[in-house]
Amino acid sequence: AQSVTQLDSQVPVFEEAPVELRCNYSSSVSVYLFWYVQYPNQGLQLLLKYLSGSTLVESINGFEAEFNKSQTSFHLRKPSVHISDTAEYFCAVTPNSGYSTLTFGKGTMLLVSP
Amino acid sequence: GAGVSQTPSNKVTEKGKYVELRCDPISGHTALYWYRQSLGQGPEFLIYFQGTGAADDSGLPNDRFFAVRPEGSVSTLKIQRTERGDSAVYLCASSRSGTETGELFFGEGSRLTVL
Repeated sequence: AQSVTQLDSQVPVFEEAPVELRCNYSSSVSVYLFWYVQYPNQGLQLLLKYLSGSTLVESINGFEAEFNKSQTSFHLRKPSVHISDTAEYFCAVTPNSGYSTLTFGKGTMLLVSP
Repeated sequence: GAGVSQTPSNKVTEKGKYVELRCDPISGHTALYWYRQSLGQGPEFLIYFQGTGAADDSGLPNDRFFAVRPEGSVSTLKIQRTERGDSAVYLCASSRSGTETGELFFGEGSRLTVL
């Protein structure tokens, strides 16, 4: 079984400041890792994913996450946030051996203020 | 349709009543998933369909919960004898074939409130 821990339920930050949203996971097998984002009044959508290869993955809107196997982490970072990044962010894992039944963390609400 | 559609968006019912929640996946997506998101929690897996069949229903909490997908497209989640603890947002997601690890397309959810 897998589990995901997102220790920060809420992260307030000012616009143009850097941000890191933390994600740690536990699993007895190798996993794939994901970040999903939920903007207000919208459904969850995939932000980025790590399947294999380079441990640093990037999204089209400036977020990046780095897979660290020794620390079982997949933290999400952005060097400069915008108001429009205000959303809830969910880290998720799935075993790298079959279909996509994701195990999600509890989510981190990113609040960007001017 | 352009995205995953879920109806109703909100449902308020009384304890003990029967509820149906509908999901219309993206056209052509063979894999369909139901998740439940309680307040302050992340989505929790309920059931996964590949085509018309339930490939994995290990997340259904008890036998009051049942889901069908008779024609391999629209799915209905059915909850019998609802309890206050069933109050949550029920999320539906679909993917092309279930093998594109992790890339699920979610609907906006159906918020169920059991009084």
